Amino acid sequence: DGGITQSPKYLFRKEGQNVTLSCEQNLNHDAMYWYRQDPGQGLRLIYYSQIVNDFQKGDIAEGYSVSREKKESFPLTVTSAQKNPTAFYLCASSIDGAGGYNEQFFGPGTRLTVL
Amino acid sequence: GESVGLHLPTLSVQEGDNSIINCAYSNSASDYFIWYKQESGKGPQFIIDIRSNMDKRQGQRVTVLLNKTVKHLSLQIAATQPGDSAVYFCAEKGLMEYGNKLVFGAGTILRVKS
Repeated sequence: DGGITQSPKYLFRKEGQNVTLSCEQNLNHDAMYWYRQDPGQGLRLIYYSQIVNDFQKGDIAEGYSVSREKKESFPLTVTSAQKNPTAFYLCASSIDGAGGYNEQFFGPGTRLTVL
Repeated sequence: GESVGLHLPTLSVQEGDNSIINCAYSNSASDYFIWYKQESGKGPQFIIDIRSNMDKRQGQRVTVLLNKTVKHLSLQIAATQPGDSAVYFCAEKGLMEYGNKLVFGAGTILRVKS
């Protein structure tokens, strides 16, 4: 059963804590992405990775960090430096990230709430 | 089209009618466009895509129209069903320093009345 999984579905964080959101895909896709979605808004790109061991900042990278040690995994850490982290976080993947006309496939999302 | 904050445009249609959802995109150089459907609390699902060398593309019950002259994209849903109720996003392929990214509109809420 191929797809993208994200965990946990809901996450609560106290102010000042770092938390890590998991994203795994078994689609054999090279590229992976993290987006943030706030109520009534479109998706904004946080980080992306075209290939293993490489990643680039998106439009709103401040306060976040990522790693891409394995092709199938792209975890996102929300650090205490992120001023307003409460949001819905979406992970996506595509066959490749350079050129091409490939849609991005999305995971089910993680809703992060700061208490 | 684009919208700010919590006030997403909303389209209400009767079950069985056709729906047309519109989107204005920003970059005249964009050459690839996608429509996504997002149900409450879930990730977006791919509906249909179109490249800039086409004006129209049809899928199952859906049609996407592209007007490059006015930078406008529309999604037509035939015989709208209650299960079509969701937020619909258009996305255009933009360029990053490395690779491509998708630029998303704020979305349109589709409500289907039975």
